Amino acid sequence: QQQVKQSPQSLIVQKGGISIINCAYENTAFDYFPWYQQFPGKGPALLIAIRPDVSEKKEGRFTISFNKSAKQFSLHIMDSQPGDSATYFCAASMPRPDNARQLTFGSGTQLTVLP
Amino acid sequence: SQTIHQWPATLVQPVGSPLSLECTVEGTSNPNLYWYRQAAGRGLQLLFYSVGIGQISSEVPQNLSASRPQDRQFILSSKKLLLSDSGFYLCAWSAGTSSLMRSYNEQFFGPGTRLTVL
Repeated sequence: QQQVKQSPQSLIVQKGGISIINCAYENTAFDYFPWYQQFPGKGPALLIAIRPDVSEKKEGRFTISFNKSAKQFSLHIMDSQPGDSATYFCAASMPRPDNARQLTFGSGTQLTVLP
Repeated sequence: SQTIHQWPATLVQPVGSPLSLECTVEGTSNPNLYWYRQAAGRGLQLLFYSVGIGQISSEVPQNLSASRPQDRQFILSSKKLLLSDSGFYLCAWSAGTSSLMRSYNEQFFGPGTRLTVL
């Protein structure tokens, strides 16, 4: 119940195309869903995040779509650029009794945008 | 603004040697601190987290330990490294408390330490 399933494992897109990464969860206690972008040798960087009371959030070329009833959410990268080539992780967060947050990560998607 | 530092950036250690990785956060007080490990080509596994000085919670029983001697300092240690301890170690922080009714405490990651155990 703690898992977050992410697909695809790898994705190759032409420059200017749309990249779509999907995630699914089981535990309804998750209340916050961030996406992280990680370049080789670097720490993950928070990219965009959504709360379950919102069905869509857009920031520039990045959009999260959230389907609460299906327990699924996805990241759409519009007009994909070679600089977007990185590993993307979805995550789901829930509160702990001690005021910390439990962040459960998907397995990651390696995105390659061809020039 | 908040900044998180980790050192060293890379480390090569022989099996059986001790380990000490350090993480410090600037620009915030009373943060929650986290240690993650990332195996090559895989996701992130939470190892330890801390909600305050001297308060450590362990997620995965293993060869490692963590300590928080100061509010914004988090240390990952081992007395004797194993080959399986190799990986990319990431420290993260989040706001410890918030005056907002609904705060989701985003976690922000440091640059990481690449550990190779030979």
